[in-house]
Amino acid sequence: DAGVIQSPRHEVTEMGQEVTLRCKPISGHNSLFWYRQTMMRGLELLIYFNNNVPIDDSGMPEDRFSAKMPNASFSTLKIQPSEPRDSAVYFCASSFPERERTETQYFGPGTRLLVL
Amino acid sequence: DQQVKQNSPSLSVQEGRISILNCDYTNSMFDYFLWYKKYPAEGPTFLISISSIKDKNEDGRFTVFLNKSAKHLSLHIVPSQPGDSAVYFCAASAAYKYIFGTGTRLKVLA
Repeated sequence: DAGVIQSPRHEVTEMGQEVTLRCKPISGHNSLFWYRQTMMRGLELLIYFNNNVPIDDSGMPEDRFSAKMPNASFSTLKIQPSEPRDSAVYFCASSFPERERTETQYFGPGTRLLVL
Repeated sequence: DQQVKQNSPSLSVQEGRISILNCDYTNSMFDYFLWYKKYPAEGPTFLISISSIKDKNEDGRFTVFLNKSAKHLSLHIVPSQPGDSAVYFCAASAAYKYIFGTGTRLKVLA
């Protein structure tokens, strides 16, 4: 199993530019999560999808952030326009609660975003 | 308002000794607790978990203790090994949602 795949691994962009982060969850997992990690706030949940449907987007910081899951094997997190305070590591995670007793979430390697 | 707190940002332990990482939570609705380990440039990986109906769960060198009355959990690593050096996050769960602490950086000295 390849695990959760994220791309790009690193992204450097200038303020005002659009940024798109990509995630491929583990095959068969029906829940997908986007997190942001910063030094001050640790790991924060941005949005949660179940069966490709957004269930909880209360963690999305602003309208500049949007996320989609067009199918079970792909999700994007878009920031437009990007700002320096968006600089962080963004993680995608997936799980399959109905099968896994422990509801374990499996994380991808993350995308390190730097907005100049 | 942080619902899950890890008050020690870092911890150093000698190889072979016990490492104890602590975590406090405020929401009594949390019913499941987890520890994740994170190496640099990698995503967090699941380490061990405990349901709120238990007070202890053990997996090899790793044991998690839950004290519901104190809203406190801890992770014990015995014996500690240099490869355990990483950032450890505790998380509390209610339904699908994980709330993570800010992490404790463990350094195991050889």
